[in-house]
Amino acid sequence: GNSVTQMEGPVTLSEEAFLTINCTYTATGYPSLFWYVQYPGEGLQLLLKATKADDKGSNKGFEATYRKETTSFHLEKGSVQVSDSAVYFCALRPMNRDDKIIFGKGTRLHILP
Amino acid sequence: GAGVSQSPSNKVTEKGKDVELRCDPISGHTALYWYRQSLGQGLEFLIYFQGNSAPDKSGLPSDRFSAERTGGSVSTLTIQRTQQEDSAVYLCASSLALSEASPLHFGNGTRLTVT
Repeated sequence: GNSVTQMEGPVTLSEEAFLTINCTYTATGYPSLFWYVQYPGEGLQLLLKATKADDKGSNKGFEATYRKETTSFHLEKGSVQVSDSAVYFCALRPMNRDDKIIFGKGTRLHILP
Repeated sequence: GAGVSQSPSNKVTEKGKDVELRCDPISGHTALYWYRQSLGQGLEFLIYFQGNSAPDKSGLPSDRFSAERTGGSVSTLTIQRTQQEDSAVYLCASSLALSEASPLHFGNGTRLTVT
Protein backbone atom coordinates (compact mmCIF):
# COMPACT_ATOMS: atom_id res chain seq x y z
CA GLY A 1 0.00 0.00 0.00
CA ASN A 2 0.88 3.67 -0.07
CA SER A 3 2.87 5.14 2.81
CA VAL A 4 4.99 8.10 3.85
CA THR A 5 7.85 8.01 6.34
CA GLN A 6 9.47 11.16 7.62
CA MET A 7 12.17 11.74 10.18
CA GLU A 8 11.04 11.99 13.74
CA GLY A 9 11.47 15.18 15.64
CA PRO A 10 11.85 17.37 17.32
CA VAL A 11 14.64 18.93 15.32
CA THR A 12 16.43 21.82 17.00
CA LEU A 13 18.74 24.11 15.04
CA SER A 14 20.34 27.47 15.46
CA GLU A 15 19.32 30.35 13.26
CA GLU A 16 21.05 30.37 9.86
CA ALA A 17 21.77 26.63 10.02
CA PHE A 18 21.10 24.31 7.08
CA LEU A 19 17.94 22.25 7.36
CA THR A 20 17.08 18.83 5.98
CA ILE A 21 13.93 16.94 6.90
CA ASN A 22 13.88 13.51 5.31
CA CYS A 23 10.80 12.05 3.67
CA THR A 24 10.53 8.76 1.80
CA TYR A 25 7.46 7.17 0.30
CA THR A 26 6.01 3.94 -1.01
CA ALA A 27 3.52 4.12 -3.85
CA THR A 28 2.81 2.68 -7.27
CA GLY A 29 3.43 4.77 -10.32
CA TYR A 30 3.98 8.48 -9.98
CA PRO A 31 2.18 10.04 -7.03
CA SER A 32 2.18 13.76 -6.37
CA LEU A 33 4.22 14.83 -3.35
CA PHE A 34 3.65 17.70 -0.95
CA TRP A 35 5.06 19.41 2.08
CA TYR A 36 2.61 21.09 4.45
CA VAL A 37 3.50 23.36 7.35
CA GLN A 38 1.66 24.11 10.57
CA TYR A 39 2.87 27.21 12.39
CA PRO A 40 2.12 27.51 16.12
CA GLY A 41 -1.56 28.17 16.67
CA GLU A 42 -2.39 28.05 12.99
CA GLY A 43 -3.91 25.60 10.53
CA LEU A 44 -2.06 23.47 8.04
CA GLN A 45 -1.07 25.12 4.81
CA LEU A 46 0.63 23.93 1.67
CA LEU A 47 4.34 24.78 1.57
CA LEU A 48 5.37 23.26 -1.75
CA LYS A 49 4.61 20.41 -4.13
CA ALA A 50 6.03 18.36 -7.00
CA THR A 51 4.04 16.27 -9.43
CA LYS A 52 6.60 14.29 -11.42
CA ALA A 53 10.06 12.84 -11.16
CA ASP A 54 12.90 15.37 -10.91
CA ASP A 55 10.46 18.23 -10.29
CA LYS A 56 11.65 20.67 -7.65
CA GLY A 57 9.07 22.41 -5.50
CA SER A 58 10.11 25.64 -3.79
CA ASN A 59 8.58 28.30 -1.57
CA LYS A 60 9.79 30.68 1.17
CA GLY A 61 13.39 29.49 0.68
CA PHE A 62 12.43 25.84 1.13
CA GLU A 63 13.05 23.29 -1.61
CA ALA A 64 12.29 19.63 -2.19
CA THR A 65 13.14 17.48 -5.21
CA TYR A 66 11.02 14.52 -6.32
CA ARG A 67 13.50 11.63 -6.55
CA LYS A 68 11.90 8.58 -8.13
CA GLU A 69 15.05 6.48 -7.90
CA THR A 70 15.26 6.86 -4.14
CA THR A 71 11.50 7.43 -3.58
CA SER A 72 12.31 10.53 -1.57
CA PHE A 73 11.16 14.12 -1.24
CA HIS A 74 13.48 15.63 1.36
CA LEU A 75 12.79 19.19 2.51
CA GLU A 76 15.77 21.56 2.60
CA LYS A 77 16.49 25.16 3.47
CA GLY A 78 19.88 26.79 3.33
CA SER A 79 19.49 29.21 6.24
CA VAL A 80 16.64 28.80 8.68
CA GLN A 81 15.02 31.56 10.68
CA VAL A 82 13.27 31.57 14.03
CA SER A 83 10.02 32.13 12.14
CA ASP A 84 10.44 28.72 10.47
CA SER A 85 9.68 27.02 13.77
CA ALA A 86 6.67 24.84 13.00
CA VAL A 87 5.56 21.29 12.34
CA TYR A 88 6.25 20.01 8.84
CA PHE A 89 4.26 17.23 7.19
CA CYS A 90 5.22 15.28 4.09
CA ALA A 91 2.26 13.99 2.07
CA LEU A 92 1.54 11.84 -0.95
CA ARG A 93 -1.39 11.90 -3.35
CA PRO A 94 -1.66 8.56 -5.22
CA MET A 95 -2.12 8.31 -8.95
CA ASN A 96 -5.41 6.50 -8.35
CA ARG A 97 -7.77 9.35 -7.58
CA ASP A 98 -9.94 7.09 -5.44
CA ASP A 99 -7.07 6.49 -3.02
CA LYS A 100 -6.74 8.78 -0.07
CA ILE A 101 -3.95 11.31 0.49
CA ILE A 102 -1.36 9.97 2.92
CA PHE A 103 0.46 12.13 5.49
CA GLY A 104 3.65 11.46 7.40
CA LYS A 105 3.60 11.84 11.17
CA GLY A 106 5.06 15.32 11.11
CA THR A 107 8.40 16.74 12.22
CA ARG A 108 8.51 19.51 14.80
CA LEU A 109 11.22 22.07 14.08
CA HIS A 110 12.60 24.48 16.71
CA ILE A 111 14.91 27.27 15.60
CA LEU A 112 16.94 28.95 18.31
CA PRO A 113 17.94 32.62 17.95
CA GLY B 1 -15.91 32.63 1.83
CA ALA B 2 -12.79 31.68 -0.04
CA GLY B 3 -11.50 28.99 2.29
CA VAL B 4 -12.66 25.86 4.09
CA SER B 5 -14.94 26.80 6.94
CA GLN B 6 -15.44 24.69 10.05
CA SER B 7 -17.89 25.20 12.87
CA PRO B 8 -17.90 25.47 15.74
CA SER B 9 -14.31 26.53 16.27
CA ASN B 10 -14.45 25.29 19.84
CA LYS B 11 -16.77 22.80 21.49
CA VAL B 12 -16.81 21.72 25.11
CA THR B 13 -19.13 18.85 25.89
CA GLU B 14 -19.82 16.46 28.70
CA LYS B 15 -18.86 12.83 28.44
CA GLY B 16 -21.70 10.82 26.97
CA LYS B 17 -23.21 13.63 24.91
CA ASP B 18 -23.39 13.64 21.13
CA VAL B 19 -21.63 16.31 19.07
CA GLU B 20 -21.89 17.37 15.46
CA LEU B 21 -19.05 19.09 13.63
CA ARG B 22 -19.59 20.90 10.37
CA CYS B 23 -17.35 21.51 7.38
CA ASP B 24 -18.03 23.82 4.44
CA PRO B 25 -15.49 23.06 1.70
CA ILE B 26 -14.29 25.42 -0.97
CA SER B 27 -16.93 25.75 -3.67
CA GLY B 28 -16.34 23.27 -6.48
CA HIS B 29 -14.05 20.98 -4.47
CA THR B 30 -15.31 17.45 -4.87
CA ALA B 31 -12.97 15.73 -2.42
CA LEU B 32 -13.38 16.26 1.32
CA TYR B 33 -11.31 14.79 4.13
CA TRP B 34 -11.67 14.61 7.89
CA TYR B 35 -8.60 14.26 10.10
CA ARG B 36 -8.04 14.31 13.83
CA GLN B 37 -5.04 15.87 15.53
CA SER B 38 -4.40 15.24 19.19
CA LEU B 39 -2.11 17.52 21.20
CA GLY B 40 1.41 17.26 19.83
CA GLN B 41 0.49 14.42 17.50
CA GLY B 42 0.33 13.98 13.75
CA LEU B 43 -2.71 13.77 11.53
CA GLU B 44 -4.99 10.81 12.04
CA PHE B 45 -7.09 10.09 8.94
CA LEU B 46 -10.77 9.55 9.67
CA ILE B 47 -12.77 9.51 6.44
CA TYR B 48 -12.67 10.74 2.88
CA PHE B 49 -15.50 11.75 0.54
CA GLN B 50 -15.49 11.87 -3.23
CA GLY B 51 -18.67 13.76 -3.99
CA ASN B 52 -21.27 12.33 -1.62
CA SER B 53 -19.77 8.87 -1.36
CA ALA B 54 -17.07 7.74 1.04
CA PRO B 55 -14.59 5.39 -0.68
CA ASP B 56 -12.57 5.08 2.50
CA LYS B 57 -14.03 5.01 6.01
CA SER B 58 -11.18 2.98 7.41
CA GLY B 59 -10.00 5.66 9.80
CA LEU B 60 -13.16 6.05 11.86
CA PRO B 61 -12.07 4.98 15.38
CA SER B 62 -15.32 3.28 16.37
CA ASP B 63 -18.99 2.97 15.46
CA ARG B 64 -19.64 6.06 17.60
CA PHE B 65 -18.18 8.09 14.73
CA SER B 66 -20.09 8.74 11.52
CA ALA B 67 -19.96 11.29 8.75
CA GLU B 68 -22.10 12.32 5.86
CA ARG B 69 -21.93 14.70 2.98
CA THR B 70 -24.90 16.02 1.10
CA GLY B 71 -25.14 17.83 -2.20
CA GLY B 72 -21.45 17.31 -2.76
CA SER B 73 -20.77 20.19 -0.41
CA VAL B 74 -21.26 20.45 3.35
CA SER B 75 -20.14 17.57 5.53
CA THR B 76 -20.95 16.75 9.13
CA LEU B 77 -18.96 14.53 11.44
CA THR B 78 -21.01 13.14 14.30
CA ILE B 79 -19.59 11.64 17.45
CA GLN B 80 -22.09 9.83 19.65
CA ARG B 81 -21.67 9.22 23.36
CA THR B 82 -18.44 11.20 23.47
CA GLN B 83 -15.53 9.95 25.55
CA GLN B 84 -12.59 11.88 26.97
CA GLU B 85 -10.24 10.27 24.46
CA ASP B 86 -12.25 11.95 21.70
CA SER B 87 -10.78 15.30 22.78
CA ALA B 88 -8.73 16.62 19.87
CA VAL B 89 -8.74 19.11 17.02
CA TYR B 90 -10.86 17.86 14.14
CA LEU B 91 -9.63 19.11 10.80
CA CYS B 92 -11.49 19.22 7.52
CA ALA B 93 -9.81 19.68 4.15
CA SER B 94 -11.01 19.81 0.58
CA SER B 95 -9.45 19.58 -2.85
CA LEU B 96 -10.19 19.45 -6.55
CA ALA B 97 -10.16 15.70 -7.02
CA LEU B 98 -9.93 15.82 -10.78
CA SER B 99 -6.22 16.52 -10.71
CA GLU B 100 -3.72 14.34 -8.91
CA ALA B 101 -1.67 17.45 -8.28
CA SER B 102 -4.40 19.23 -6.36
CA PRO B 103 -3.32 20.02 -2.81
CA LEU B 104 -5.57 19.92 0.22
CA HIS B 105 -6.92 23.15 1.63
CA PHE B 106 -7.45 22.91 5.36
CA GLY B 107 -9.92 24.61 7.62
CA ASN B 108 -8.87 25.96 11.00
CA GLY B 109 -10.38 23.00 12.78
CA THR B 110 -12.82 22.38 15.60
CA ARG B 111 -11.22 21.96 19.02
CA LEU B 112 -13.31 19.41 20.89
CA THR B 113 -12.95 19.04 24.64
CA VAL B 114 -14.84 16.28 26.40
CA THR B 115 -15.09 16.82 30.15
